Amino acid sequence: AQSVTQLGSHVSVSEGALVLLRCNYSSSVPPYLFWYVQYPNQGLQLLLKYTTGATLVKGINGFEAEFKKSETSFHLTKPSAHMSDAAEYFCAVRGISGGSNYKLTFGKGTLLTVNP
Amino acid sequence: GAGVSQSPSNKVTEKGKDVELRCDPISGHTALYWYRQSLGQGLEFLIYFQGNSAPDKSGLPSDRFSAERTGGSVSTLTIQRTQQEDSAVYLCALPGRAGETQYFGPGTRLLVL
Repeated sequence: AQSVTQLGSHVSVSEGALVLLRCNYSSSVPPYLFWYVQYPNQGLQLLLKYTTGATLVKGINGFEAEFKKSETSFHLTKPSAHMSDAAEYFCAVRGISGGSNYKLTFGKGTLLTVNP
Repeated sequence: GAGVSQSPSNKVTEKGKDVELRCDPISGHTALYWYRQSLGQGLEFLIYFQGNSAPDKSGLPSDRFSAERTGGSVSTLTIQRTQQEDSAVYLCALPGRAGETQYFGPGTRLLVL
């Protein structure tokens, strides 16, 4: 079984400031981890993913995330926030084996607000 | 994009009516997922189809919900006797080429009055 906890349902930063969105997971099997972004009135878009290999993964729009097994974390960061980053961000986990492990388990989401 | 269309994009219905939601993927995808996004429950898995195998229905919230996928292509999600708590965005997702990632369609926004 998997679960995801996103700390902070709402994060507010100033334009140009560091963005840090926290995600912790629980998984009984080795996980694949994902961040999705949902812009206002739009669908879910994949931001980045960790499957195997390098634990620091880079995504679109300057975002990156680091898989830390010892901390069961997959926090999302961006050095400098842009106004266009305002959106809701979802962390998700799934198992790497087949069958029902393919289903994604999502966190509750973090709404990012960027202030001018 | 995900290479999947969903219809209708919006649906308003009255409590107690049945609704049918459609997911139409591009060809060649043997796997297909349904999720829903609601204010109360967030994003949650509903059902998973993989080829000719029995679908994983473990996420369906009640027996009012059913889904089928005929011919390995189009899938329909049917909700019988809709309730107000069924109001949500229903999302269809397809796997990426390596099967690791899921890409989501635009969704159907269902409002039950």
